[in-house]
Amino acid sequence: GQQLNQSPQSMFIQEGEDVSMNCTSSSIFNTWLWYKQDPGEGPVLLIALYKAGELTSNGRLTAQFGITRKDSFLNISASIPSDVGIYFCAGPTLSGYALNFGKGTSLLVTP
Amino acid sequence: EAGVAQSPRYKIIEKRQSVAFWCNPISGHATLYWYQQILGQGPKLLIQFQNNGVVDDSQLPKDRFSAERLKGVDSTLKIQPAKLEDSAVYLCASSLTGFGGDGAFFGQGTRLTVV
Repeated sequence: GQQLNQSPQSMFIQEGEDVSMNCTSSSIFNTWLWYKQDPGEGPVLLIALYKAGELTSNGRLTAQFGITRKDSFLNISASIPSDVGIYFCAGPTLSGYALNFGKGTSLLVTP
Repeated sequence: EAGVAQSPRYKIIEKRQSVAFWCNPISGHATLYWYQQILGQGPKLLIQFQNNGVVDDSQLPKDRFSAERLKGVDSTLKIQPAKLEDSAVYLCASSLTGFGGDGAFFGQGTRLTVV
């Protein structure tokens, strides 16, 4: 199946710092989604990208759909402690009806 | 709007026992998914329903896992018999359209521990 590779695997930063993470795919995607998962909770959709080159923001979060359609980036500006969690990239399965997820980037923010 | 409801939140069973999980999707969502999330991994699709029909169950271990959505609303996922490697969080999700690109809304999950 389609593989999604996320990097870095984990990040440990100080409050106020900017964060950047990315996701690469072994195949072309028409949609990229970014989710955040808090401990003990299910993933929550943060940003959806539908067009190559698209840049979309949601508050302090900005995500970009790579022009090769095989990668995507998520940036968090001025991180705060509640940004702690695991961030997953996801894209439609080959059938188009479900989602494949990466292994996640774990973010820790110290005050 | 109520979210995706799952129960129980936690379950501990011995290997070879059976277990069942329940999910009630967001009202009006025709598509329901069951995902398995092993510690340190992203969610992996087990089965997808569109109304009460199965769209994709290619990754469901059918020798021990079964799922149903009889009236096209709530769903149950069963494991019988359980193995140690089934220890994971089982996430239910729903979506309005059923197209992956539209995203899905997840429940809190059921954490299963098999001992």
